Amino acid sequence: EPEVTQTPSHQVTQMGQEVILRCVPISNHLYFYWYRQILGQKVEFLVSFYNNEISEKSEIFDDQFSVERPDGSNFTLKIRSTKLEDSAMYFCAITSGTFPYNEQFFGPGTRLTVL
Amino acid sequence: GENVEQHPSTLSVQEGDSAVIKCTYSDSASNYFPWYKQELGKGPQLIIDIRSNVGEKKDQRIAVTLNKTAKHFSLHITETQPEDSAVYFCAASPYNFNKFYFGSGTKLNVKP
Repeated sequence: EPEVTQTPSHQVTQMGQEVILRCVPISNHLYFYWYRQILGQKVEFLVSFYNNEISEKSEIFDDQFSVERPDGSNFTLKIRSTKLEDSAMYFCAITSGTFPYNEQFFGPGTRLTVL
Repeated sequence: GENVEQHPSTLSVQEGDSAVIKCTYSDSASNYFPWYKQELGKGPQLIIDIRSNVGEKKDQRIAVTLNKTAKHFSLHITETQPEDSAVYFCAASPYNFNKFYFGSGTKLNVKP
């Protein structure tokens, strides 16, 4: 099973501040995903990223959000101006890129708290 | 889009008993159905999955069944153990490399 780490494990920020969440796959993968889970709610899809481009994004993923893979390894999610409702667990997931392609493996998550 | 419903939201069983968690989905195009286990403070861990070309899959004490006609799938855990206590999520996906639509989760408590 591919291994995924995320940093930081917990981020506390003030409303309006920018945050960057990082995802580090242990081995090279092509497909990346960000999901979020507001406390007590479903895990929700935010964005998928393939070959250094956004493949698909949800309506949650508005102009305040961006993703990139700056050094060919780390995969980052940036929230430009955080809002109280951005408080959630953010999970990075990867697909192995090999058949059968569907399986997604999740990182441990980053808990974002916006005050 | 796809809508996945999951029941029950909480389930308490005695150690050694079986546990069943059920999910329904709405999009007939969905063809991949994974189940994840999430322990406190950790990310979801894939425990079993099923594709639409089969009706059942087993892996030791865990099994998943799929009824495409009725659009529902279930997770079965036999001989439950305290370490099975966690939150379980079902999900559905319509095609390769696509996003997952998750159910709302079931908190399973296995009492010793």
